[in-house]
Amino acid sequence: ETAVFQTPNYHVTQVGNEVSFNCKQTLGHDTMYWYKQDSKKLLKIMFSYNNKQLIVNETVPRRFSPQSSDKAHLNLRIKSVEPEDSAVYLCASSFRDRVAETLYFGSGTRLTVL
Amino acid sequence: GDSVTQTEGLVTVTEGLPVMLNCTYQTAYSDVAFFWYVQYLNEAPKLLLRSSTDNKRTEHQGFHATLHKSSSSFHLQKSSVQLSDSALYYCALSERSNYNVLYFGSGTKLTVEP
Repeated sequence: ETAVFQTPNYHVTQVGNEVSFNCKQTLGHDTMYWYKQDSKKLLKIMFSYNNKQLIVNETVPRRFSPQSSDKAHLNLRIKSVEPEDSAVYLCASSFRDRVAETLYFGSGTRLTVL
Repeated sequence: GDSVTQTEGLVTVTEGLPVMLNCTYQTAYSDVAFFWYVQYLNEAPKLLLRSSTDNKRTEHQGFHATLHKSSSSFHLQKSSVQLSDSALYYCALSERSNYNVLYFGSGTKLTVEP
């Protein structure tokens, strides 16, 4: 049963363009995350938001900018994409203060930069 | 910082035989939880099992793992694999004071052959 929804599923674009991805969760969680899964299947945290506030910002290039309108929505914008941005971007959600709380992932947005 | 190491990138096992996927970690924190996630082809990663209790076996779907803080390990085992177990397996840790952000190992691709 899907509870973290990501759009679009796929996106193909050219170097230098701007792209935006959307994520919505219906689990009532207060924290959302963006992860990047690269071609080698490495999964790395990019950002995390708690109740619309940015709380985690790993070493991500400045062309990436997350945005959250409320605790159920988290978007990701990439200005001027580069070839190394080709990856699957996974959105996840969780409760911040619960011990050993699991993350629930969406099915991802696969970005291909030509 | 925290790190998770999965030494095997690829593991191939014959159906019906046992398997163990290795996971070791480094962390400076004490309030840490450990997870195994499974990702089937073209699907989202999902929780397989988790633990934060030293020397306690946790089980799910025929898989089991025991956290051993003395050896900084959380290996995943199954006594008899099935064809449907073929997937990508990630070991991960999270620290409660860091908003439950998951830090993943590099993943182990398990292929079960008939």
